[in-house]
Amino acid sequence: SQQGEEDPQALSIQEGENATMNCSYKTSINNLQWYRQNSGRGLVHLILIRSNEREKHSGRLRVTLDTSKKSSSLLITASRAADTASYFCATDHKIIFGKGTRLHILP
Amino acid sequence: GAGVSQTPSNKVTEKGKYVELRCDPISGHTALYWYRQSLGQGPEFLIYFQGTGAADDSGLPNDRFFAVRPEGSVSTLKIQRTERGDSAVYLCASSLEGDAEAFFGQGTRLTVV
Repeated sequence: SQQGEEDPQALSIQEGENATMNCSYKTSINNLQWYRQNSGRGLVHLILIRSNEREKHSGRLRVTLDTSKKSSSLLITASRAADTASYFCATDHKIIFGKGTRLHILP
Repeated sequence: GAGVSQTPSNKVTEKGKYVELRCDPISGHTALYWYRQSLGQGPEFLIYFQGTGAADDSGLPNDRFFAVRPEGSVSTLKIQRTERGDSAVYLCASSLEGDAEAFFGQGTRLTVV
């Protein structure tokens, strides 16, 4: 079974707006990672947050982790057309993904 | 190499045939993962290697699927008696260790006809 579940499943926003997506997981973790997948095949690692961290930033990305709620959020600020992609969360060494959030940035 | 390399990039095979998919991880990466992804779905975990050994093969769907990594580097995913339902993109990833970011290859698109 899948460990991570992303929410929402799909999100459309105007360019320049912020996009927030959430991930919930089921068991204890050592770390949680977010990945992006464009219409091609490759998945790109975005950010890793460890279980003892609560928030992490990387450029326009901000990730939070709440281990008590077993949830994480990914915020993309000042969205760009190039951010249009599917986003997945994953936990620990098995990197078990949910179904992803499909983000569409409108021009 | 510079990144994770998967060969072939595309494979078309007839139902019932045997196929091998190859993954060349980033040099020095001890952890290697196989996934498959169907259209519109997230990657589905198949198997995880730490070095030469399969640390977790709980995602292999049945005994037609097998993977090896004999020297702790290159890995081969083997599928026997292929079925049309095996059609998917098979992704390989590697990481420096089991608890680190993973780098993905571009995948092998397997089509069983």
